[in-house]
Amino acid sequence: GAGVSQSPSNKVTEKGKDVELRCDPISGHTALYWYRQSLGQGLEFLIYFQGNSAPDKSGLPSDRFSAERTGGSVSTLTIQRTQQEDSAVYLCASSPDILAGAADTQYFGPGTRLTVL
Amino acid sequence: AQSVTQLGSHVSVSEGALVLLRCNYSSSVPPYLFWYVQYPNQGLQLLLKYTTGATLVKGINGFEAEFKKSETSFHLTKPSAHMSDAAEYFCAVSNPYSSASKIIFGSGTRLSIRP
Repeated sequence: GAGVSQSPSNKVTEKGKDVELRCDPISGHTALYWYRQSLGQGLEFLIYFQGNSAPDKSGLPSDRFSAERTGGSVSTLTIQRTQQEDSAVYLCASSPDILAGAADTQYFGPGTRLTVL
Repeated sequence: AQSVTQLGSHVSVSEGALVLLRCNYSSSVPPYLFWYVQYPNQGLQLLLKYTTGATLVKGINGFEAEFKKSETSFHLTKPSAHMSDAAEYFCAVSNPYSSASKIIFGSGTRLSIRP
């Protein structure tokens, strides 16, 4: 389909392991966001990529979290040495045009549910 | 800085009744405002958004919201609830003067519909 896709849909890992979560944005979208949604909580902003600009990493909760976006398209969120409190749904969103600024609609993927045992 | 407050983490209404989900915002500049809906086990999708112009905004599925600057509110309403409206609803605000255009989300309101 033409929407934002994320993989895997579910990930179960053991405490201390590293995980990689992938996001494929809508083709041509220049902005990409990662959010975390813990059970019963709102959306926690993690990181924002806008075109070729330096990413806004202000929401990353610790240095165990990192993300990259290769070729302005696919993005990978990496969590090193996972902890139980990292368990959450990780949502990715993209939007079409940085020049449209804050009016852009964000298109969300279905999320990756991460469970750290 | 901007912020969003959604009053009531859980709202329950009867099928056919009025739906009212409350959202208040804080912004030092005229904001852009959004409502998103999240159905179970799905990502978020846009219901409606306010940028400029008419303060009453109509969205999908019969929802609408009114921007009230004097009250710093953007409440979401629907005249008659349907069972399919059961979902999590998020209000969001952004700064149209910011090149970073980061959207700030509220904590969400879970809407339940009673038969």
